[in-house]
Amino acid sequence: QLQLQESGPGLVKPSETLSLTCTVSGLSISSSTYNWGWIRQPPGKGLEWVGNFYYRGSTNYNPSLKSRVTISVDTSKNQFFLELNFVTAADTAVYYCARRGVATSNRDSWGQGTLVIVSS
Amino acid sequence: QSALTQPASVSGAPGQSITISCTGTSSDVGRYNYVSWYQQHPGKAPKLMIYDVSNRPSGVSNRFSGSKSGNTASLTISGLQAEDEADYYCDSYTTSSTWVFGGGTRVTVL
Repeated sequence: QLQLQESGPGLVKPSETLSLTCTVSGLSISSSTYNWGWIRQPPGKGLEWVGNFYYRGSTNYNPSLKSRVTISVDTSKNQFFLELNFVTAADTAVYYCARRGVATSNRDSWGQGTLVIVSS
Repeated sequence: QSALTQPASVSGAPGQSITISCTGTSSDVGRYNYVSWYQQHPGKAPKLMIYDVSNRPSGVSNRFSGSKSGNTASLTISGLQAEDEADYYCDSYTTSSTWVFGGGTRVTVL
C-alpha cells in the first residue's frame, strides 16, 4: 500500500531555509508513470501548488516561489525533498507531499501534512 | 498565475443537489481536460473526488460528478448528505506547465 510521510522541523526562523522530506513507501519514486510534488496550505486558507518533479529529472515550480524553491530526490532512499529559502511568516503552512499520475490530473495519494511555522 | 475562482460557500438541504463552479481562463481550465476536485475535512489531507474533469476514482460515491464548459468546470453533489460538509477545491494544469488551485468552497449541509 502506497504511503507518503512528510518530516522536518516544525519551526523555522525568518530568512532561514525550510527543509522537508517526503518518504515514500510501497512504490518506487523512479516509476515512469508518476510525478511527485508539494502543496501547501496556510492556516485557515486554501491550497497552493508549490512544485513537482518527474523521475527523469524535470522539475516545475510555482512562479511566485520559483526564485526560492528547490525540489530534489534521493532514489536510493525513496525520498524527495523541498527546500524553500529566505522564508517569512507568509510561508507558515501545512506542507503536503503528493503523487500524481503522468498525463492526468489524478493526484490520488497525499501525505498527512506537516505544519511549519516561521517565527523567531 | 492567478487562482481559479470558486464561490466562497454553497449550501443545501439533505437530499438536494448542489453545484460548485471553478472558473479559470483559456490558459488553464479552458485549454486542458486536466481538472480535479478535492474534498477536505478539517484537519485532514485533501481527498481526490474527481480527476480529468469527470472521472471518479475507485471508492468515491457516484453522487459526485464533474463537468466542464469553456473556462468553467463544475462539481455536482447529488443527494447531499451530512458527511459531504467540507471544503472543496478545484485545480487545473496550465500552459506554463504548472498547476493552479481554486480558492476553495465551503459546503454546508443545512
